[in-house]
Amino acid sequence: GEDVEQSLFLSVREGDSSVINCTYTDSSSTYLYWYKQEPGAGLQLLTYIFSNMDMKQDQRLTVLLNKKDKHLSLRIADTQTGDSAIYFCAESGYGGSQGNLIFGKGTKLSVKP
Amino acid sequence: DSGVTQTPKHLITATGQRVTLRCSPRSGDLSVYWYQQSLDQGLQFLIQYYNGEERAKGNILERFSAQQFPDLHSELNLSSLELGDSALYFCASSVGPRGNQPQHFGDGTRLSIL
Repeated sequence: GEDVEQSLFLSVREGDSSVINCTYTDSSSTYLYWYKQEPGAGLQLLTYIFSNMDMKQDQRLTVLLNKKDKHLSLRIADTQTGDSAIYFCAESGYGGSQGNLIFGKGTKLSVKP
Repeated sequence: DSGVTQTPKHLITATGQRVTLRCSPRSGDLSVYWYQQSLDQGLQFLIQYYNGEERAKGNILERFSAQQFPDLHSELNLSSLELGDSALYFCASSVGPRGNQPQHFGDGTRLSIL
């Protein structure tokens, strides 16, 4: 079945770049999403990419996709303490034919001043 | 602000009881999704409605049911509550029924079963 995996923790210093990694298993074309969850809050949509793309950039965020390895990464440039949160990778079900998202367990990003 | 509204924010109740969680989607969105977030299971898809009709089912228990009304708001009903139902329940909405449109999430309802 479909599965999404992420490393659980990442710690960086303020001003450095953060790279959060994710692997997925759906073999068909799919949409891949990144969400951010701050303590006590809902999920905030950060960005998304279709699986026929290699890269997408949005201000400080860069998404890189390696289709061969089914590996997705989210790079946050100039990481700030306000970026401390849990980041979820998600793929749409059955190559996007279904609406539901399949989430990874989330990566907790800690930013040290 | 995502535009998705969930009420109540917190709910505390006892085992065996029944509760209703409410969700208003973003203006213009026809699809509503319900997800459960718990420490052991992570984020799990429960059910999806599109324009009033059930569209897809995930890991939803038989004790749980949902519906989407003509004004597109949705309710998730949880009955015969057990301790293990304690979790954060999210509603999300999107324009269409498929996964090629981003979903926007509400702030969730935290359900605590005593």
